[in-house]
Amino acid sequence: AQSVTQPDIHITVSEGASLELRCNYSYGATPYLFWYVQSPGQGLQLLLKYFSGDTLVQGIKGFEAEFKRSQSSFNLRKPSVHWSDAAEYFCAVVKMNTGFQKLVFGTGTRLLVSP
Amino acid sequence: DAGVTQSPTHLIKTRGQQVTLRCSPKSGHDTVSWYQQALGQGPQFIFQYYEEEERQRGNFPDRFSGHQFPNYSSELNVNALLLGDSALYLCASSLGTGPYEQYFGPGTRLTVT
Repeated sequence: AQSVTQPDIHITVSEGASLELRCNYSYGATPYLFWYVQSPGQGLQLLLKYFSGDTLVQGIKGFEAEFKRSQSSFNLRKPSVHWSDAAEYFCAVVKMNTGFQKLVFGTGTRLLVSP
Repeated sequence: DAGVTQSPTHLIKTRGQQVTLRCSPKSGHDTVSWYQQALGQGPQFIFQYYEEEERQRGNFPDRFSGHQFPNYSSELNVNALLLGDSALYLCASSLGTGPYEQYFGPGTRLTVT
């Protein structure tokens, strides 16, 4: 069954430092993968997606992610973190069933940014 | 271009009561999915509506039901509320049945006392 694992519950990064959030997926075929961000009390905002093609995908707010089939990973990166990036980050994989999709989410990683 | 909107923003109900949450999809979108997000957890899929029919369902009891209207808006109904139903309920819309990116609304915070 399709699943997503985000091994880090919390990560603290200094402002200006680089960031990498880990995501591992379990899926038999080529997965469709997403990263979403959620600020406190808010809905989810789509950061980026991978459907096929180039394994390095660019997203909004300076984020990028790299799809690595050999490692079943889709890690999110940002070269320089800003205080406004503090939020909860969710990795998700699409599960298809009779032509209809649903998203299967990881448990999330909470990013804290220190001054 | 309006995004996904949900109402109400917050709701407090008592155990055993019934609740209805509403969602308007992003302009041009025809598919609506509902997710439940308990505190500290990732969203869990409840069900999806397309062409006014429930197309797939997650692992939720029949107390959770829904509806989609001809204008693609949707309602989520929960009967016989339990304390464990307290959560953020998220609506997501997409164009077609997938796999396409889903756009989420701000959610409805339901508290059951």
